[in-house]
Amino acid sequence: GAVVSQHPSWVICKSGTSVKIECRSLDFQATTMFWYRQFPKQSLMLMATSNEGSKATYEQGVEKDKFLINHASLTLSTLTVTSAHPEDSSFYICSATGGGGSETQYFGPGTRLLVL
Amino acid sequence: EDQVTQSPEALRLQEGESSSLNCSYTVSGLRGLFWYRQDPGKGPEFLFTLYSAGEEKEKERLKATLTKKESFLHITAPKPEDSATYLCAVQAPQGGSEKLVFGKGTKLTVNP
Repeated sequence: GAVVSQHPSWVICKSGTSVKIECRSLDFQATTMFWYRQFPKQSLMLMATSNEGSKATYEQGVEKDKFLINHASLTLSTLTVTSAHPEDSSFYICSATGGGGSETQYFGPGTRLLVL
Repeated sequence: EDQVTQSPEALRLQEGESSSLNCSYTVSGLRGLFWYRQDPGKGPEFLFTLYSAGEEKEKERLKATLTKKESFLHITAPKPEDSATYLCAVQAPQGGSEKLVFGKGTKLTVNP
């Protein structure tokens, strides 16, 4: 149980284009989903928290207009990197919980983004 | 500010050589401490959640313990397949948010 998937697993795009990453909870309803980015040899940095049906809460320093998050259903959240630039190249990972307080976050396999 | 410090940054063991990883934390009102395992190029895999000082949990060769200031991940008779980066994270009440604060991880290498 508690399986989270991400799609795509890797993507290469040209600078200036937008990229959408999907995060799905496969066997549970995710009231809260989180988006992280991870640079090589560094730990996970939280970008934003999203609750189903409401606007995402972004961490300080994360551009809301650049990283668009939509949590339209209890099993799907999407992260769109708009007008991507090489500095946006990173490993993006989502996680999900069933809500209710001190809940374990289950992580997806991650999406490797390379912007040329 | 909530902080999580993991040590050592890297650890090399021989197969069968037991050891411990440390996670020190400072947080106001700990709601939970989490251990994850992360393999290269993959998302973190959940291992344990600890909620209160004195709590212990075990899974195969791994045992996690918790005090009021730190947590240990004990690895008994490790095997090469235990090689990974082990991440520690704490959850504290922040306006009802469930967000985690992660340490930088300990990269464990177990040689055959």
